[in-house]
Amino acid sequence: AQRVTQPEKLLSVFKGAPVELKCNYSYSGSPELFWYVQYSRQRLQLLLRHISRESIKGFTADLNKGETSFHLKKPFAQEEDSAMYYCALSAISGNTPLVFGKGTRLSVIA
Amino acid sequence: GAGVSQSPSNKVTEKGKDVELRCDPISGHTALYWYRQRLGQGLEFLIYFQGNSAPDKSGLPSDRFSAERTGESVSTLTIQRTQQEDSAVYLCASSLARGNYGYTFGSGTRLTVV
Repeated sequence: AQRVTQPEKLLSVFKGAPVELKCNYSYSGSPELFWYVQYSRQRLQLLLRHISRESIKGFTADLNKGETSFHLKKPFAQEEDSAMYYCALSAISGNTPLVFGKGTRLSVIA
Repeated sequence: GAGVSQSPSNKVTEKGKDVELRCDPISGHTALYWYRQRLGQGLEFLIYFQGNSAPDKSGLPSDRFSAERTGESVSTLTIQRTQQEDSAVYLCASSLARGNYGYTFGSGTRLTVV
């Protein structure tokens, strides 16, 4: 069974401080990992995919298969980063629906 | 349209009534997904359509829930004899055939059962 765990419901950081949103997964096959973000009064949207190895809005995430983790990081938090962040997993084939974690609310304090 | 469209955006219904929620995916997206998000909870998978294949209904919580999709276009999610625990935001998403490129979500339907 596929499972995604985001241990923190709420994470508060000061503007300019580093951010790390934790995500751990459980899956026996080859996973594909994603981060989705939902800003206030906006739709849920894709932030980044591990397979594309990209940096979006200063965020990066590295897949660590040994630790089964896909933590989201940003060196310097901005107020506009305040949002709900969801980690999600699917099979690498892409033919199974995404399994989402329960989300972490990031609050960046000025 | 440019994005995934869901209607209605809000629905208040009395316990025991049936409701129908609609999703219009992005043109060309063969895969369509329904999720439910209860207050303070994560996204709970309900059902998945992929082209002409049989839908994956493994997430439907009871036989009161059903969904249909016409070809590769509009989908409707029907909840019969609604209960208070059905109150949630129902999200629809679509993607290209293989979902690895990410999903595009609609803005959701907020269902309140009173």
